[in-house]
Amino acid sequence: NAGVTQTPKFQVLKTGQSMTLQCAQDMNHEYMSWYRQDPGMGLRLIHYSVGAGITDQGEVPNGYNVSRSTTEDFPLRLLSAAPSQTSVYFCASSYSGTSGYEQYFGPGTRLTVT
Amino acid sequence: TQLLEQSPQFLSIQEGENLTVYCNSSSVFSSLQWYRQEPGEGPVLLVTVVTGGEVKKLKRLTFQFGDARKDSSLHITAAQPGDTGLYLCAGPPNSGYALNFGKGTSLLVTP
Repeated sequence: NAGVTQTPKFQVLKTGQSMTLQCAQDMNHEYMSWYRQDPGMGLRLIHYSVGAGITDQGEVPNGYNVSRSTTEDFPLRLLSAAPSQTSVYFCASSYSGTSGYEQYFGPGTRLTVT
Repeated sequence: TQLLEQSPQFLSIQEGENLTVYCNSSSVFSSLQWYRQEPGEGPVLLVTVVTGGEVKKLKRLTFQFGDARKDSSLHITAAQPGDTGLYLCAGPPNSGYALNFGKGTSLLVTP
């Protein structure tokens, strides 16, 4: 199993550009999430999904869209990039059989917006 | 929001020393998880503690869940440079799905 994969690993955008961060998992997990990690702020939840076709907002959803058409894929779209979205983005998956939604994280995408 | 406070924020020690990091909350959690994140990588789950007072050992790492299920600690014996990383605690919410994460303890172990 590859686990959780994310592409690209690094990305530089100009303000106003849009892009999609890809995330895929091959563990048949129901739950998938997107986090951003910033110095001093910890991991903050952007959006999450409890199954195909079902998504919900997390703590910091503004400026981001998600969709979940399959169990495996959970892309994150930046609509109009802003410097405040410079961060490291992690996708994670989980399943209902765990003790408390234990997360399996991908390797991350480091995004810089100039 | 069920906040998790981690301390210390930074810790720099020499190889062979022992250390303890803490994860505290004013809220009760049904379980707490510990993750380690190495530079440039995603967090990796180390352990989940479920029962109040529970102690779990993972080689040189000892995890404890407080009796009241509001706090947890991680003790590392004879730290090694490979233990270097960011240690995060996290707990599930009383309702919903969104995990609560602490901000982490950044550990540096020098030879």
